[in-house]
Amino acid sequence: AQRVTQPEKLLSVFKGAPVELKCNYSYSGSPELFWYVQYSRQRLQLLLRHISRESIKGFTADLNKGETSFHLKKPFAQEEDSAMYYCALNRHGGSQGNLIFGKGTKLSVKP
Amino acid sequence: NAGVTQTPKFQVLKTGQSMTLQCAQDMNHNSMYWYRQDPGMGLRLIYYSASEGTTDKGEVPNGYNVSRLNKREFSLRLESAAPSQTSVYFCASSMQGDTEAFFGQGTRLTVV
Repeated sequence: AQRVTQPEKLLSVFKGAPVELKCNYSYSGSPELFWYVQYSRQRLQLLLRHISRESIKGFTADLNKGETSFHLKKPFAQEEDSAMYYCALNRHGGSQGNLIFGKGTKLSVKP
Repeated sequence: NAGVTQTPKFQVLKTGQSMTLQCAQDMNHNSMYWYRQDPGMGLRLIYYSASEGTTDKGEVPNGYNVSRLNKREFSLRLESAAPSQTSVYFCASSMQGDTEAFFGQGTRLTVV
């Protein structure tokens, strides 16, 4: 079954500390994975996708097919990073697919 | 550029009442989606429409119906609301299934 697992409901770190938000997936085939972020009182929006291999707002995520993981990392957390983060998988794959989400991890960055 | 617009933003229903949540996008996207967001459950896909004229069930379709009225609009209908349908509903659209999804601001629905 296709599934996205985010094991941590809440992650609390101090400003300047490294951050890693975990995401594991279950998918037979070549996965298309995304990280979406929801800041307080804002719409859910795309943070990054694995296919583009880019860094957005200092965040990176590497697809590890062996461990079926797509963890989100940032070396130095900022207070403005506090938000809800969702890992998502393109179910069915390709242009006719659709996104399924993990349960989300709330990141809290303390001053 | 409005993006994805949902109406209404808030709604309170009595058990058994019906209502339709409206969603419209102005980005000429092919695919549209309805999700519900519940505490501790993340976003769960209710229904989606990969292109105009097609709709398919998602993870939690029971108790809902959808209509892809045209390329711009995708509505979600609750025929007989139940307290278990109390949730925040999000509409989203994307050019196609493997491109960035853009979300509406959400509709907070309470069924009493």
